[in-house]
Amino acid sequence: GENVEQHPSTLSVQEGDSAVIKCTYSDSASNYFPWYKQELGKGPQLIIDIRSNVGEKKDQRIAVTLNKTAKHFSLHITETQPEDSAVYFCAASPPSNTGKLIFGQGTTLQVKP
Amino acid sequence: EAGVTQSPTHLIKTRGQQATLRCSPISGHTSVYWYQQALGLGLQFLLWYDEGEERNRGNFPPRFSGRQFPNYSSELNVNALELEDSALYLCASSSGQGARTEAFFGQGTRLTVV
Repeated sequence: GENVEQHPSTLSVQEGDSAVIKCTYSDSASNYFPWYKQELGKGPQLIIDIRSNVGEKKDQRIAVTLNKTAKHFSLHITETQPEDSAVYFCAASPPSNTGKLIFGQGTTLQVKP
Repeated sequence: EAGVTQSPTHLIKTRGQQATLRCSPISGHTSVYWYQQALGLGLQFLLWYDEGEERNRGNFPPRFSGRQFPNYSSELNVNALELEDSALYLCASSSGQGARTEAFFGQGTRLTVV
């Protein structure tokens, strides 16, 4: 069935360093890949997304890359700041219009000052 | 512009009771999605409503149900509550149909079943 694997489950970096979170999806026909940031006690916040017709997308310190052949996509955060500390979820949209996103299990990012 | 709002923020129920959770989408959004986020787990798709109709449901028992009103707000009902129903219930909305459009989440309703 549809599945998204996310790694690592926890990630600790020093302020100013880069952080990379990787996801692998099972359905090669998936065509939409959003990333969400969830802070403690809050709902997930959409931070960036990418569609299958694009290989890379960047928004200030955040970038997402997509490798359709390998069915991988990754979130890159540069110049990390303590406020980047949160749980990050990747997701993939199945090709059929089911209305659902398949989420990874989440990565807890800790940025140490 | 107001985001997705959910009420109540917290809800405590006894096993066997019913719970009703409410969601107001972003103005102009017609699709509403419900997800369950159990402690330490990812988000599991529950239901999708669009234009007042249930379009899809996830792998949950029939005691999870809901509806969407003419103003596009939605409610999720959980009957015969079980302890394992304790979770954060998240509502999201989008302006287009299906998950391939940007979906924005509310802050969630924390349901505790005792």
